[in-house]
Amino acid sequence: AQTVTQSQPEMSVQEAETVTLSCTYDTSESDYYLFWYKQPPSRQMILVIRQEAYKQQNATENRFSVNFQKAAKSFSLKISDSQLGDAAMYFCAYTNAGKSTFGDGTTLTVKP
Amino acid sequence: NAGVMQNPRHLVRRRGQEARLRCSPMKGHSHVYWYRQLPEEGLKFMVYLQKENIIDESGMPKERFSAEFPKEGPSILRIQQVVRGDSAAYFCASSPRDIQAGTEAFFGQGTRLTVV
Repeated sequence: AQTVTQSQPEMSVQEAETVTLSCTYDTSESDYYLFWYKQPPSRQMILVIRQEAYKQQNATENRFSVNFQKAAKSFSLKISDSQLGDAAMYFCAYTNAGKSTFGDGTTLTVKP
Repeated sequence: NAGVMQNPRHLVRRRGQEARLRCSPMKGHSHVYWYRQLPEEGLKFMVYLQKENIIDESGMPKERFSAEFPKEGPSILRIQQVVRGDSAAYFCASSPRDIQAGTEAFFGQGTRLTVV
């Protein structure tokens, strides 16, 4: 069974600085997809960024980028120029065969 | 194009009652996924449905839980004889095709079930 581990239950960052959230996963599959979702207090799940396992190039979306290390099964999220609105719970998700496995999340606090 | 709609947003049930959670996928989406989120935890997969078919129910408890996605109308997650341990947020997501193909699954805002 696939597992996803987020080893940082809580992280904090100063506004305008950079923070990296870690995620590791375990799978025997070679083709899969990885996602980072943001869940603010409203509980809405918002897609932040996604990565196809067959692509070596790291995905980037504005201030958000990933460091995808397939051999190490690592998928970290870097948030640059952190903003107050980035404060939320962040979930890493592994997707294959029609279903996603989520980590337990990292709560990000942004200090003004 | 409206997003994934879940209702009700909040549902309170007494132990032993039935809970019905509804999910209307985005227009044009024929794949629906249900997840459960316990406090301080991530989302746990429950079931994956296409129209009139259950594709994968490996995450569904064997008893009291059932799901359907009829040809017409919303997908329904039904919990019979609820117990306190069923209290959680239940999320529905939809996609236009199998998310194995890399398509984003769009999430609803969830239904928070409280069993008293």
